[in-house]
Parts: sequence; C-alpha cells; structure tokens
Amino acid sequence: DSGVTQTPKHLITATGQRVTLRCSPRSGDLSVYWYQQSLDQGLQFLIQYYNGEERAKGNILERFSAQQFPDLHSELNLSSLELGDSALYFCASSASGVGTGELFFGEGSRLTVL
Amino acid sequence: GEDVEQSLFLSVREGDSSVINCTYTDSSSTYLYWYKQEPGAGLQLLTYIFSNMDMKQDQRLTVLLNKKDKHLSLRIADTQTGDSAIYFCAEKADSWGKLQFGAGTQVVVTP
Repeated sequence: DSGVTQTPKHLITATGQRVTLRCSPRSGDLSVYWYQQSLDQGLQFLIQYYNGEERAKGNILERFSAQQFPDLHSELNLSSLELGDSALYFCASSASGVGTGELFFGEGSRLTVL
Repeated sequence: GEDVEQSLFLSVREGDSSVINCTYTDSSSTYLYWYKQEPGAGLQLLTYIFSNMDMKQDQRLTVLLNKKDKHLSLRIADTQTGDSAIYFCAEKADSWGKLQFGAGTQVVVTP
C-alpha cells in the first residue's frame, strides 16, 4: 500500500460527459502528479501541483483541468469526453520533488468512455 | 528533449537472470528509477540510482548506469514467477520532481 488513494477505481461513461477523479496523497506529501496510461501512449505526465500551486504541465488537453485543495487532495476534471480518453489515470505524490524525489503511485482510476 | 526508451518485451525462464535495458536522453538527470507494475495495480518503486553512481545493488536487483552512453539497466537475479510484470525506467525530468517514463518492458517468466 503506497498510501496514495484514488477514487473511483473504475468509471464508465459516455462521450461528451464530464468526470472528476480524486486523489488523496500520502500523509505529509505536498506534491501531487497526474499521469495518464494508455496502450498507445504509454505513461504520459499531465500535471503537477505543489502545496496548492501548479508547478509543471505536460501533455494535458484543454478539456482537462486539475486543482489541489488546501487539505492537499487533488482532483482531475475531464470534460467533453472522447473515446480516446479511455485510459488509466494515475495520481502520485512525493514529499517535495527535491532530493531523491521518488513518486508513490495510487492504484489508478480506470476510465472507459463508450 | 526528454525521451526514455526501453525494449517492449522480455521472456525469461524461472531461475535465470533478467536484464532490462533503458536509454535516456537528458544528461542532466540527477536520479534514475525503476518501477514495477503488476496487473491491475499502480506503479511500485523498486529502486533508484543517483547519477554519480555506476552501480547499485539491492538484494536480487542490480542497477547499472553508464552515464556516458545514457544507458541504464536493471538485472534481476534468480527471476521468479512473481517477477512477471511491466518494468518502467524513469528519469527525474526537472527540479520539481516530474518523472519521465519509458514505455515499459513486459517481463514474462516461464517455468
């Protein structure tokens, strides 16, 4: 158990819909990262937050947004969903990112868009 | 640019050693990592190596780093069926901790 909690574990929805994925980082971790894992794209970095502020942005679509709340949990919002958004979405956390900076991953939220 | 490359598949017999290879392009990477993903699970950190080291050993795992060639390898000694998984190589891509991952190597251990 990494200590990172993601909900929901599975989600099935239709094209055009909007979903919210939630992540609770390990206790004390200030950084949260979102990654998308799909068969054709591998593990793609989406976005990082540190103590409530956005720190790095990757290949995140404009239809997607995220935020980190004062209690450090994070949410990833996916809107106007398309079939190609079907993927496993991982949240990871780390203490700060400096130093050894290893990330601890949740078990992921599997999104299926029909 | 940042790009981490790995071979996609490795088949190994139980009891043999497995070697998974990875190349990276960012010479400023300070840390390099190996993660393991079992079916239906998240990524689990196996080990990491600091860029000023050539080798790190941790029980059955040996990491070799050739910084000149930007080549990283993970050797698993006495491979077991429980080692069947996808193994990801990753480099620390910036000072804020973002990791750049390779595509993953599927390791299948046969009896």
